[in-house]
Amino acid sequence: GAVVSQHPSRVICKSGTSVKIECRSLDFQATTMFWYRQFPKQSLMLMATSNEGSKATYEQGVEKDKFLINHASLTLSTLTVTSAHPEDSSFYICSATGGFYGYTFGSGTRLTVV
Amino acid sequence: GENVGLHLPTLSVQEGDNSIINCAYSNSASDYFIWYKQESGKGPQFIIDIRSNMDKRQGQRVTVLLNKTVKHLSLQIAATQPGDSAVYFCAENIGAGASKIIFGSGTRLSIRP
Repeated sequence: GAVVSQHPSRVICKSGTSVKIECRSLDFQATTMFWYRQFPKQSLMLMATSNEGSKATYEQGVEKDKFLINHASLTLSTLTVTSAHPEDSSFYICSATGGFYGYTFGSGTRLTVV
Repeated sequence: GENVGLHLPTLSVQEGDNSIINCAYSNSASDYFIWYKQESGKGPQFIIDIRSNMDKRQGQRVTVLLNKTVKHLSLQIAATQPGDSAVYFCAENIGAGASKIIFGSGTRLSIRP
């Protein structure tokens, strides 16, 4: 079946620094990838949708200059949290879809900003 | 509409009993619905899906029911097992093709021995 790999699984960074999270589709070409954020005991909130080779579409209220998304190839999308602050601490999850494959989710990245 | 960060309700079920988890969706134009299971610290795992031209679909130990009239989905889990303990989310596909999946508020399923 379709597999999506997300890396790192956990990251701790200092306030003011930037963090990059990678999302890779391992056995299929992901024409579209999605990034979600999940706070404790809450649901997944869609942040943005990215299509390979084009700019990401951000959901209302998500700062595109803070959450940089790059989808440069059909197997890789990255989310960079710039100038991270403690309130950015969350669980970030990517999802990918393409061709006959449905929506496959990565295992998530736990970001802690100290 | 979009999930607004509601805290998760909990359903407690005796092991071996059937579980029914309900979900209300918001967009009458949604044509594809998915149930996901999420264990602590992990990403969502696909359980079962259903398209809007169906009202019932069965999988292994799971059944999804769709009532478009009242915009309601349910997930039935037969003979609930300890391994079914998790948070369950319904999600709706808004738009055609590979469009975005929006998650509902979720329900935590707890199994009593």
